[in-house]
Amino acid sequence: QQQVKQSPQSLIVQKGGISIINCAYENTAFDYFPWYQQFPGKGPALLIAIRPDVSEKKEGRFTISFNKSAKQFSLHIMDSQPGDSATYFCAATFYGGATNKLIFGTGTLLAVQP
Amino acid sequence: NAGVTQTPKFRVLKTGQSMTLLCAQDMNHEYMYWYRQDPGMGLRLIHYSVGEGTTAKGEVPDGYNVSRLKKQNFLLGLESAAPSQTSVYFCASSDPGGDSYEQYFGPGTRLTVT
Repeated sequence: QQQVKQSPQSLIVQKGGISIINCAYENTAFDYFPWYQQFPGKGPALLIAIRPDVSEKKEGRFTISFNKSAKQFSLHIMDSQPGDSATYFCAATFYGGATNKLIFGTGTLLAVQP
Repeated sequence: NAGVTQTPKFRVLKTGQSMTLLCAQDMNHEYMYWYRQDPGMGLRLIHYSVGEGTTAKGEVPDGYNVSRLKKQNFLLGLESAAPSQTSVYFCASSDPGGDSYEQYFGPGTRLTVT
């Protein structure tokens, strides 16, 4: 059962544009929402994460926006660069849980064209 | 530090053959995980361990077994490989507590079952 739905499946953005990837979750008990970035042939790596006590978190060109009432969160990449071309996964888990298990979305393949 | 390493990087099996994938981490992490990554399906948890000598089932455990005899190693076994197990397998590790629930991923093992 898919508990985290991610869209779009793929995205093409021009250099300098804004990339937006959306995720929706079902379990209201989730309270930690990370985004992972994966380059071809590599394992995923943590990019940025948010807890629901804030509506937005920004790190450089990457911003997570969180809407608790809608059970949605999104990743915005400002001034997208060709080096940002990768697969992005959203995820959800229980902060302070006993296992740190992550429920991942299905991924978004981002291509930034020069 | 090498972080999380996986052996082998690539493998081709025939249906019915068995094999073991090895994951090793040098970060002294308590928690370890095995995922499979398939196109359009994201990362799905196969099995995980919250400490030496412990294992538990994840989302898609059928056809796989695991062992965690040493804290730094987590083995994934396929007793009788099937074509449906063709996938990229990732191992990850993390530590309980603190402010970050980051999972550190290995580089992956690409398995093809013919």
